[in-house]
Amino acid sequence: DAGVTQSPTHLIKTRGQQVTLRCSPISGHKSVSWYQQVLGQGPQFIFQYYEKEERGRGNFPDRFSARQFPNYSSELNVNALLLGDSALYLCASSSLVAGGPVIYNEQFFGPGTRLTVL
Amino acid sequence: AQTVTQSQPEMSVQEAETVTLSCTYDTSENNYYLFWYKQPPSRQMILVIRQEAYKQQNATENRFSVNFQKAAKSFSLKISDSQLGDTAMYFCAFGSGSARQLTFGSGTQLTVLP
Repeated sequence: DAGVTQSPTHLIKTRGQQVTLRCSPISGHKSVSWYQQVLGQGPQFIFQYYEKEERGRGNFPDRFSARQFPNYSSELNVNALLLGDSALYLCASSSLVAGGPVIYNEQFFGPGTRLTVL
Repeated sequence: AQTVTQSQPEMSVQEAETVTLSCTYDTSENNYYLFWYKQPPSRQMILVIRQEAYKQQNATENRFSVNFQKAAKSFSLKISDSQLGDTAMYFCAFGSGSARQLTFGSGTQLTVLP
C-alpha cells in the first residue's frame, strides 16, 4: 500500500508569491493534518481536516489556508510569501481508532515539501 | 496549552551501546498519548514508539523502550544495542484526544558512531 504522498518535493518561490502544496493520504484515511518544520526545529501544527471540514487550526496567520477534497486529498495554500515561510511542510494522515478512554490518533507522515522563499 | 521540552540538542553513542534521550512535557490533561518519532536525513517522520498515559506499564518495541513517569511528566527513550541506522533526529511528541494534533519538542540529533 502506498503511504502518504506529497507534491512537489522541492519548491522555490520569491517573496510575495503564492504557493500550493498537495497531499494524498493513505487509502482509507479521512483525516489530514499539515505541519510546518523550520530548519532545526520540531514540526508545528498548522491545520487538521477531517471529512472535508477544518477540525483544528494552529497559530498561523490568515495567509495560510487549506482545503480537503471529496477523495480526502488536501491542499495547503500560502499567500504573500515571506522569507520566514521557508520550511519543510509535512502532511500527515490518520484513521481514527477507538481504544481506551481516548481516541488514539496515530498520524502517518509524508516525506514533506521543502519550500524555499528567496 | 501543552509544551514539550527536549533538553539535549545533540547526543552520540557507540555502536552496540545503550543511549537514553530525555523529554519532559507540561499539560493539564489527564488522558493523552506520548510519542517518539525518528526523522532520518530522508526527512520521513517515522513513529518509533507510543505510550498511552492511562497505562502504567512502559512501552517496548524491540530495541526501543520508554521510561514514562506521569507524575514527573517525563518520557525518556532508551535505545539498546544502537545501530548505525539509528542515526537520526528524534522528536518527542504529545497528543491529546481533545486536540487531535501533535505538539513536538525541538528534537535531539542522535549520531551512532562505528
